[in-house]
Amino acid sequence: DTGVSQNPRHKITKRGQNVTFRCDPISEHNRLYWYRQTLGQGPEFLTYFQNEAQLEKSRLLSDRFSAERPKGSFSTLEIQRTEQGDSAMYLCASSLSQRSYEQYFGPGTRLTVT
Amino acid sequence: QKEVEQNSGPLSVPEGAIASLNCTYSDRGSQSFFWYRQYSGKSPELIMFIYSNGDKEDGRFTAQLNKASQYVSLLIRDSQPSDSATYLCAVKFGANSKLTFGKGITLSVRP
Repeated sequence: DTGVSQNPRHKITKRGQNVTFRCDPISEHNRLYWYRQTLGQGPEFLTYFQNEAQLEKSRLLSDRFSAERPKGSFSTLEIQRTEQGDSAMYLCASSLSQRSYEQYFGPGTRLTVT
Repeated sequence: QKEVEQNSGPLSVPEGAIASLNCTYSDRGSQSFFWYRQYSGKSPELIMFIYSNGDKEDGRFTAQLNKASQYVSLLIRDSQPSDSATYLCAVKFGANSKLTFGKGITLSVRP
């Protein structure tokens, strides 16, 4: 399967703990996006990378969130000191820069903060 | 603040009918428009995109764009129970690469 993959698929953590998610994009895609989706809402943009460069970060993203894409391939999203409001589905998508309108989403990581 | 509104729904249609899904957006600088389908518990899947005013057809799906009125719609002809899902409208504003999504419309197709 050459689609976008995300790990883990589910994560349950206690408030205050740190969590890290991984996204592996489609191999030839140089753009990678992170979105967050809560129940009954559409995905909300968090940040995106072109190769290893983080080009945009949402103002909604607090300092507890950090994302990396160190070699321009896979990416990690870390949430420090998790809060119950962080409970959501975290979606990763990838695209080619010249076809950035075609974003392909991974299956997501569902985070539950207890 | 750039917004994408999907206020109608949920929508229920009988099998074989035409389902019409609407979306409005706030920024006249918007350049491209997308419809994603999301089955329950799954991730969004791109089904249509449109840039120019008018209609774009792909199989049973037709996207319609009216930039003057700032709305985009999706028509699904010959609706099937397998079309039952949430349909998300998304917009790219200007040269920005990120997508701004509406909250979605849930469609149910009754057999």
